[in-house]
Amino acid sequence: GNSVTQMEGPVTLSEEAFLTINCTYTATGYPSLFWYVQYPGEGLQLLLKATKADDKGSNKGFEATYRKETTSFHLEKGSVQVSDSAVYFCALSRGGSNYKLTFGKGTLLTVNP
Amino acid sequence: DAGVTQSPTHLIKTRGQQVTLRCSPISGHKSVSWYQQVLGQGPQFIFQYYEKEERGRGNFPDRFSARQFPNYSSELNVNALLLGDSALYLCASWGGDEKLFFGSGTQLSVL
Repeated sequence: GNSVTQMEGPVTLSEEAFLTINCTYTATGYPSLFWYVQYPGEGLQLLLKATKADDKGSNKGFEATYRKETTSFHLEKGSVQVSDSAVYFCALSRGGSNYKLTFGKGTLLTVNP
Repeated sequence: DAGVTQSPTHLIKTRGQQVTLRCSPISGHKSVSWYQQVLGQGPQFIFQYYEKEERGRGNFPDRFSARQFPNYSSELNVNALLLGDSALYLCASWGGDEKLFFGSGTQLSVL
């Protein structure tokens, strides 16, 4: 079946540090890949997405590239801010149906000033 | 425009009781999905409804049921509550593109 594995947190960084959160997936065919972010007390928000191999999703300074050869979709940001503190979820959707997402366990990021 | 609204925000029940959670999707969206998020885990898919029909079901027992109304709002019902049902229940609204919009969730505590 489909599954997503994220690096375990929590991750604690200082402001302006470089961020990488690793994500690998297992799926048949060609899934779409997503990063969602959950701020304290809020629902999940789509951060970025990629729908085919070598696509790069980007938003708010965050980037992730769909790597089919390594089945990975690592999240990166060059300079984090305190406001980026949240839980980040990697997810996949299989076969064009976006009704169902399979999520990783999430990675808690804390950015200190 | 209102986003996805869920009610109640918090709920405390005892084992064996039944609970109903409610969700209103974004205006114009015809699909609602339900997810369960246990503390420290990612959300797990429970149900998806489109145009009042069930389109998908996750690996949850029959104690979990849902329905969608003509106005596209939805209810999730859980019978015979267990301690392990304690979780954040998220509703997601889908408008047809590759994007789900999530509500803030209902935090259910089973004592």
